[in-house]
Amino acid sequence: KAGVTQTPRYLIKTRGQQVTLSCSPISGHRSVSWYQQTPGQGLQFLFEYFSETQRNKGNFPGRFSGRQFSNSRSEMNVSTLELGDSALYLCASSPVFGRAYEQYFGPGTRLTVT
Amino acid sequence: LAKTTQPISMDSYEGQEVNITCSHNNIATNDYITWYQQFPSQGPRFIIQGYKTKVTNEVASLFIPADRKSSTLSLPRVSLSDTAVYYCLVGDIKAAGNKLTFGGGTRVLVKP
Repeated sequence: KAGVTQTPRYLIKTRGQQVTLSCSPISGHRSVSWYQQTPGQGLQFLFEYFSETQRNKGNFPGRFSGRQFSNSRSEMNVSTLELGDSALYLCASSPVFGRAYEQYFGPGTRLTVT
Repeated sequence: LAKTTQPISMDSYEGQEVNITCSHNNIATNDYITWYQQFPSQGPRFIIQGYKTKVTNEVASLFIPADRKSSTLSLPRVSLSDTAVYYCLVGDIKAAGNKLTFGGGTRVLVKP
């Protein structure tokens, strides 16, 4: 079974721009979560989607948003990029909502904001 | 969520057994202990999960004493490719709406 895929793998953007990242979960998985990882803050939870609805949200500003499609694929969007948004953005999927402790992570998208 | 404490880093040599201990003094009755492994520029990978006593799979063993206030991840006969950061997480795996909270992790360096 194919793993979680994320596109693009690397991205360079300029401050003030916006960006959209994509995640395709493992086939049959309906829950998708997004995380931001930086050297200073570690791995931080952004939000979780299940059945096209956001079920859980972390402490990030409204510039960070996401959505999930009927095929469980998910996108996250960051508007008005700031230098501090440079990070590895990870997507994770699990079969059902609530299996937070058994999630399968993708390779991540490395975003650099200049 | 139970707070976890684990060593910042550990060095080992190929072929040795690596044991990483995680302290979780305020673990709750419904909490499980889960370990993840993360290689540089990759997402974390689920390794093992347990509630009490001992759990073993093809990758590692997890030892949990009776009081459950700590746990030890054991990696047998490590190789260079086991160099990674290992995270200990504690929480109720069956509670809907839970989100993973990763601490700093333990950076394991396996030397030749």
